[in-house]
Amino acid sequence: GNSVTQMEGPVTLSEEAFLTINCTYTATGYPSLFWYVQYPGEGLQLLLKATKADDKGSNKGFEATYRKETTSFHLEKGSVQVSDSAVYFCALSLMNRDDKIIFGKGTRLHILP
Amino acid sequence: DGGITQSPKYLFRKEGQNVTLSCEQNLNHDAMYWYRQDPGQGLRLIYYSQIVNDFQKGDIAEGYSVSREKKESFPLTVTSAQKNPTAFYLCASRRFQATNEKLFFGSGTQLSVL
Repeated sequence: GNSVTQMEGPVTLSEEAFLTINCTYTATGYPSLFWYVQYPGEGLQLLLKATKADDKGSNKGFEATYRKETTSFHLEKGSVQVSDSAVYFCALSLMNRDDKIIFGKGTRLHILP
Repeated sequence: DGGITQSPKYLFRKEGQNVTLSCEQNLNHDAMYWYRQDPGQGLRLIYYSQIVNDFQKGDIAEGYSVSREKKESFPLTVTSAQKNPTAFYLCASRRFQATNEKLFFGSGTQLSVL
């Protein structure tokens, strides 16, 4: 079946450190891939997306590249800030009859000043 | 501005009581979704609807019910059959089968048991 696996948290980093949050997926077909971010007590917001192989999504210094050969969509940022502390979700969306979106379990990120 | 509105922000349920969570959108989206979020569990799909007067069970539908009488509205009822209802509930929407497009989320309802 279709699934998303992302690294378990929490991830704790110092400000200005390099961030990687791993995400791999299993899908029948060609999914679109997304990263969402959730701040405390709020809903999810789209951070970035990629809709086909080798596409790179980017926003607010975050990047992720759609790697079909490794079925991955890892999230990276070169220099994190305290304000990046949140929960990050990787997700996939497939064109099928069910029209479901599959989410990973989320990775909590703590950035220390 | 277009968006999704969930209400109330906080809700308390007594034992044996049914409670209804509201979700309204003015984005003209056909598809709407309800998710449950528990710490460390990520998002789990409860119900979804692709069109008015039609809806499908998600992965954890037991103890919940929904209706879709209007395109703008997709209320979720947590029934007394749901024995562990304490969670954060999120409503979302998007255009029908718009797989390349993002989900729009509401700000959530925190449900607790008294």
